[in-house]
Amino acid sequence: EAGVAQSPRYKIIEKRQSVAFWCNPISGHATLYWYQQILGQGPKLLIQFQNNGVVDDSQLPKDRFSAERLKGVDSTLKIQPAKLEDSAVYLCASSLEQGANQPQHFGDGTRLSIL
Amino acid sequence: AQSVAQPEDQVNVAEGNPLTVKCTYSVSGNPYLFWYVQYPNRGLQFLLKYITGDNLVKGSYGFEAEFNKSQTSFHLKKPSALVSDSALYFCAVRDPGFQKLVFGTGTRLLVSP
Repeated sequence: EAGVAQSPRYKIIEKRQSVAFWCNPISGHATLYWYQQILGQGPKLLIQFQNNGVVDDSQLPKDRFSAERLKGVDSTLKIQPAKLEDSAVYLCASSLEQGANQPQHFGDGTRLSIL
Repeated sequence: AQSVAQPEDQVNVAEGNPLTVKCTYSVSGNPYLFWYVQYPNRGLQFLLKYITGDNLVKGSYGFEAEFNKSQTSFHLKKPSALVSDSALYFCAVRDPGFQKLVFGTGTRLLVSP
């Protein structure tokens, strides 16, 4: 089965610019997650979708970050305007269901560098 | 709040020797515990999980982990390390009552030939 697809793999922008990331989960996976992984740290959940509805966005900086999953399949994460501290790897993951015992399957991430 | 601690930033082991990567957790209820591995410039790969039942869980690539409720630990083990096991390992915990998966800070495993 094809894995979680993310694009782009790398992105370099200047602070205050905007950027968008795309994720296509594993086919049939209802739950989609976006994580932020800062160098030297574990991934931190930004937002979780169940189909096209938001389950948890408590750690999403909503003044600058937004995400959508309009048709319940692929998703985009946007940052506008970017700050230096947003430099990180943005990981997308999916799981078949939202149950707590379900393992998550990760994409290879987008590495974002803010100049 | 749920949390995970990985006390070692790096573990060094010689190829062929057994390896252990440590993890302790804190949750309010019975935990769901996971181990993931991350290779350079790649996403996290699922290795194994503990949900309930047998305290010794077997996973991918010969890895296993032992759940110890009294010590609130979930250490990752492998009887004989390979150079190709060198990577970053993350322990994660999920309280069944909450959706969020919380990761530790990771342990870098370096297996020398």
